[in-house]
Amino acid sequence: EDQVTQSPEALRLQEGESSSLNCSYTVSGLRGLFWYRQDPGKGPEFLFTLYSAGEEKEKERLKATLTKKESFLHITAPKPEDSATYLCAVGTGANSKLTFGKGITLSVRP
Amino acid sequence: NAGVTQTPKFQVLKTGQSMTLQCAQDMNHEYMSWYRQDPGMGLRLIHYSVGAGITDQGEVPNGYNVSRSTTEDFPLRLLSAAPSQTSVYFCASSLRTGAQQGYSPLHFGNGTRLTVT
Repeated sequence: EDQVTQSPEALRLQEGESSSLNCSYTVSGLRGLFWYRQDPGKGPEFLFTLYSAGEEKEKERLKATLTKKESFLHITAPKPEDSATYLCAVGTGANSKLTFGKGITLSVRP
Repeated sequence: NAGVTQTPKFQVLKTGQSMTLQCAQDMNHEYMSWYRQDPGMGLRLIHYSVGAGITDQGEVPNGYNVSRSTTEDFPLRLLSAAPSQTSVYFCASSLRTGAQQGYSPLHFGNGTRLTVT
C-alpha cells in the first residue's frame, strides 16, 4: 500500500526565516510526486510535479526537490502570504490516481 | 475559463436523506475525480472517471454513486446520508494521463462542505 508522510504537521516561521517541509513516501513504482498549496476554504492549487530522483523545480520563493525516498519543499525568505497548507501526493499508476499526505500547515508571522 | 465548478458550497442533510453534489469543468479534461477531505487525514479518492461512460472506484467508494454521461459533468450521489459522510468534498479534473504520458496536474474545485446530522 502506498504511504505518504508529511512533517512537521504544523510550522510557524517569522517572515524571512527560511525552512523546509518534508514529504517521505513508500510506494511501488513512483510515477510522479506532486506538491499542492491549499488556502482555507479553497481547493488545492497545483505547485510542482517531480518525476525522478535529483529533479528540482522552483517557483518564486519555493523550491521542490526529490530523492528516492522523500521530497522537500524549501521556502526561502517566506512572506505572510505564503501561509497555507502544503499537500504532497504521489502517483504510482495510470489514470491520475494519487495518494495524498495529511498536509503541513505553514504560518508566517510578519 | 471557470475551471472546476462545484455546487452547492454548503449543505446540511439529515441521516437517510439523499442528494447529488454537482461538478462541472470547462477545460475539456477527460479525467475527473471526487475526493473527500477530513480533519487529520489526507484527501481520499472516492470515485474517478477517465472519460464519458467510464467510471471506477477509488479508496472509499461505499455509500456513493457516480456517472459520467458527458465530458463536462461528473455528479456524486449520496444514496442514504450517514453522519460518517460529514466532510468536505472536492472534485478535480485533469488531462488524460497514462503510463507513457506521465501525470497532468489535477485542477480542483473549491469544495462542498457537507454536514449530516
